[in-house]
Amino acid sequence: DQQVKQNSPSLSVQEGRISILNCDYTNSMFDYFLWYKKYPAEGPTFLISISSIKDKNEDGRFTVFLNKSAKHLSLHIVPSQPGDSAVYFCAASGSNAGNMLTFGGGTRLMVKP
Amino acid sequence: GAGVSQSPRYKVAKRGQDVALRCDPISGHVSLFWYQQALGQGPEFLTYFQNEAQLDKSGLPSDRFFAERPEGSVSTLKIQRTQQEDSAVYLCASSDYGTTLNYGYTFGSGTRLTVV
Repeated sequence: DQQVKQNSPSLSVQEGRISILNCDYTNSMFDYFLWYKKYPAEGPTFLISISSIKDKNEDGRFTVFLNKSAKHLSLHIVPSQPGDSAVYFCAASGSNAGNMLTFGGGTRLMVKP
Repeated sequence: GAGVSQSPRYKVAKRGQDVALRCDPISGHVSLFWYQQALGQGPEFLTYFQNEAQLDKSGLPSDRFFAERPEGSVSTLKIQRTQQEDSAVYLCASSDYGTTLNYGYTFGSGTRLTVV
């Protein structure tokens, strides 16, 4: 039973446009959400996080939106750049889970020049 | 070191062989995690240490998997009698306790294990 799902395995966008990556979760005990970015042959790199007490967090070109009622979060990248091409993982944690993260299956983003 | 270091980067094992994977966390990081990432999937939690104490090992898939962190720094993940389904990338991550969820934790580049 996947508690965190990323239903789009891949996404292709044009350079300069917006990239929107989506993530759904089922466990209502999750109260912290993170996005990681992964290049080939490297470990995942932390990108941005959001607490369940917020509905939006922004860091430069990256914004994460959280809709708790829908158990849905999304990552917006504006404007998209070719260097953003990577696999993006959504992850979630509950405050009683010892900081253990549950990851989604990932979305491969390709930004075309 | 500046980051989380894992060795070896690649390991090919014959089925039934024992393997040991090493993780050097960022100096001073209290928390250490092991994750398993199968091809085309997201990382899955294996086990968690706080200093030398193994606080959660609920993700270890069988009793063939064993992890230790005897001095609260370097950690070793051991897999006995490897099976083909153990083929995956094994990721280690570390963090300062208390900052994990605000800033995530830092992953190493992983060890790719292939069992033949």
